[in-house]
Amino acid sequence: AQSVAQPEDQVNVAEGNPLTVKCTYSVSGNPYLFWYVQYPNRGLQFLLKYITGDNLVKGSYGFEAEFNKSQTSFHLKKPSALVSDSALYFCAVRDSNYQLIWGAGTKLIIKP
Amino acid sequence: DTEVTQTPKHLVMGMTNKKSLKCEQHMGHRAMYWYKQKAKKPPELMFVYSYEKLSINESVPSRFSPECPNSSLLNLHLHALQPEDSALYLCASSQVRGPEAFFGQGTRLTVV
Repeated sequence: AQSVAQPEDQVNVAEGNPLTVKCTYSVSGNPYLFWYVQYPNRGLQFLLKYITGDNLVKGSYGFEAEFNKSQTSFHLKKPSALVSDSALYFCAVRDSNYQLIWGAGTKLIIKP
Repeated sequence: DTEVTQTPKHLVMGMTNKKSLKCEQHMGHRAMYWYKQKAKKPPELMFVYSYEKLSINESVPSRFSPECPNSSLLNLHLHALQPEDSALYLCASSQVRGPEAFFGQGTRLTVV
């Protein structure tokens, strides 16, 4: 079965420190992987995607993600966190029917 | 333009009311989606339209009735809803079999 796991319900980071939000996946074939962010009472905003090519993908707002095929992971990273990065982050993978399978979400809290 | 517009932003309705949610996109996408999202949970797929035809109905109760009048518009007609239907309803669009989906800001629905 295809699935996405975000092992951390919440991640706390001090402003200015690097952040990592973890995601692992299980899918048959080559994965299409995505990160979305959701601010309070807002819709989902697309951050970045991995389809093929370079394992390090750069996205919006200074975020990047590293695809690791051997570890079946797609962790979201940012070198220096901002308070405004505080939000709910979802990892997703597209299944064989081209529908998104979502992780449970990780709440990211950046403290000043 | 990567915008998906949803109206209204907020809706309060009684259990005997009939209301409609609207979604519009002008990105030329021919796949459109309705999702339901409960607080701090990932979105749950409800319906998928491809080329203006309903292609996926995730066993959604008949009190939710989708409609796709043309390639830019998607409606969700609501009738005789229950309090447990209160949620954020998200519309999204993408290329058919395309990678990422783009989401609207959602309609916050409260059923009283």
